[in-house]
Amino acid sequence: GQQLNQSPQSMFIQEGEDVSMNCTSSSIFNTWLWYKQDPGEGPVLLIALYKAGELTSNGRLTAQFGITRKDSFLNISASIPSDVGIYFCAGHGGSNYKLTFGKGTLLTVNP
Amino acid sequence: EAQVTQNPRYLITVTGKKLTVTCSQNMNHEYMSWYRQDPGLGLRQIYYSMNVEVTDKGDVPEGYKVSRKEKRNFPLILESPSPNQTSLYFCASSYRAGREKLFFGSGTQLSVL
Repeated sequence: GQQLNQSPQSMFIQEGEDVSMNCTSSSIFNTWLWYKQDPGEGPVLLIALYKAGELTSNGRLTAQFGITRKDSFLNISASIPSDVGIYFCAGHGGSNYKLTFGKGTLLTVNP
Repeated sequence: EAQVTQNPRYLITVTGKKLTVTCSQNMNHEYMSWYRQDPGLGLRQIYYSMNVEVTDKGDVPEGYKVSRKEKRNFPLILESPSPNQTSLYFCASSYRAGREKLFFGSGTQLSVL
């Protein structure tokens, strides 16, 4: 089946730094979603991408749908302590209705 | 407020004692799904439902049952829980399957002793 490789697995950064994470797929996706999960809570949708090359922002977050349709990137600018959590990518491809999830990036922000 | 509601949030039980985790959504979504989250394994789909009375297995369905008798409800049933089913469970829904945003509940932490 389809697989997503999400990297890095974890990041430790200082408050104020920018963050980048990405997901790559072995097959073409036509939708990319990025989620954040706070400790003890369910994932919350941050950004949805539907077209190759699309660049979408949500506050300090920016995500891009890769031109090859096999990858997506999430950037967080000027990180703050409340950015701490697990960030998941998810993709949907072709005729398969199923949403495939990456294994997540654990972000820690040191004040 | 649009939401996916799971109950209970926390549950401790013993091996073999049947339990049900409820899930309800108020967004008139057709698609609903159950996931379990385990360290290092990410989110794995247990069962999903495309619409009322239409359910199918996900990646890890063994030991679980579901039903979809009404559009808003999608309970997860563990007929005879075992310790390897100790996990964090999430219910999720979307307007339809496919290229749609998936919305998650707050989770149910289950411990089977």
